[in-house]
Order: sequence, then C-alpha cells, then structure tokens
Amino acid sequence: EAEVAQSPRYKITEKSQAVAFWCDPISGHATLYWYRQILGQGPELLVQFQDESVVDDSQLPKDRFSAERLKGVDSTLKIQPAELGDSAMYLCASSLRPRFDSPLHFGNGTRLTVT
Amino acid sequence: GESVGLHLPTLSVQEGDNSIINCAYSNSASDYFIWYKQESGKGPQFIIDIRSNMDKRQGQRVTVLLNKTVKHLSLQIAATQPGDSAVYFCAENKGGNKLVFGAGTILRVKS
Repeated sequence: EAEVAQSPRYKITEKSQAVAFWCDPISGHATLYWYRQILGQGPELLVQFQDESVVDDSQLPKDRFSAERLKGVDSTLKIQPAELGDSAMYLCASSLRPRFDSPLHFGNGTRLTVT
Repeated sequence: GESVGLHLPTLSVQEGDNSIINCAYSNSASDYFIWYKQESGKGPQFIIDIRSNMDKRQGQRVTVLLNKTVKHLSLQIAATQPGDSAVYFCAENKGGNKLVFGAGTILRVKS
C-alpha cells in the first residue's frame, strides 16, 4: 500500500536555529496537510494545500513557520527560528481530494526536539 | 469553543475481551466523524468513519456508534488483541476535510 513519506524521522536542534521537514504524499493525492502533535495530545492542523495553493493556514504561526508545495507534489515545512515550545511531532497527511469521503493518510512524522 | 474530547484517558482490557472507547463532541452541526489508531512512533491510521445520518457502522472487529442526541461517539473493538494496543483518537471533520482531533485514549491489552 502506498505511503506518505516524511524525513527526517528525528531532528534535534537548538533554539533560534532553522529547521525544515519534507513530505512526499501518496501519488495522485491533490490535498496535503501538515499537522503538529504535542506529546499526549491529538494532532492539530497547521496548513492545508490543494495542489500548490494554500487553502487554510489560519493556525500556522506565520512569524516563524512557512510551508510550500511548489509543484503541487512534495512539500516542505520550515521553522525559523525554532523555539523550545516547537518540540513536537510534525505529521504530514494527504488525501485524494478535500472531501469527507476521501480519508487522510498520515506519514510517520518527524519528531522535533528543540534544546 | 468547539471541541472533540474523550472521557477516559487510559483503558486496560484483557485479551479477548471487548473494548469500548468513548468520545464527546460539542458541535451539533458536525456531520462526519472518524476514528484513528496511533501506534507508538507512527502516524494515525484510519479505522472507521460514520456520517451523522447513521447511528451505527460496522467494520472488521470494530463498530462505531453515534448518538446525536447526547453528542456522543463510541468505538467498540471485539475480541481485543495485543496488536490493538495503541492510542485511539476520534476526529470531527469540520468541512473541507479539516479534522479536529480529540485528546486520545490509551488502550492497553493485557495478555
């Protein structure tokens, strides 16, 4: 079964440094999502793309976070500068389309630790 | 604000018993709910979903029940196995496939 690929698997960085995460969705999935999951909590949506366009980034801290999906396929999420409170699992998901009948498929995430 | 939450943070069951995981939601206009399973070190995995025009939906060893009157959702797992040990999340689809997740319930299966 096709999977959502994410890298790196783990990332340790010092506060004030820049960090980037990469996601390759399932082939043919037009909708891509970045979620943040703090330990012990459920995932929270950061940004949603439809093809190369952002359709929802209302929960993305835009002063330090940025996301792009230039060719409408893979995506990068960047944090600059990283803060201690950014330590979390960053999950990427994709779906065929932005409809309720198109389930989200999640990758295994990038575990970020900011020291 | 609107939220989806869980009643029990940890559930321990004996292997072979049935498990019931509960979830409350606050937005009565919600019309689509999903259960996800998350194993340690992995991303959430889709289990089963239900639309608000249904009260019950069954899958393989899993059943989801929806009570719109009290805004309550439950996941039943039959003959629980050690491989079912994970964190279970209910999620509400707020339109455009934007999911709002609850806090999660840890299911521990004792052999």
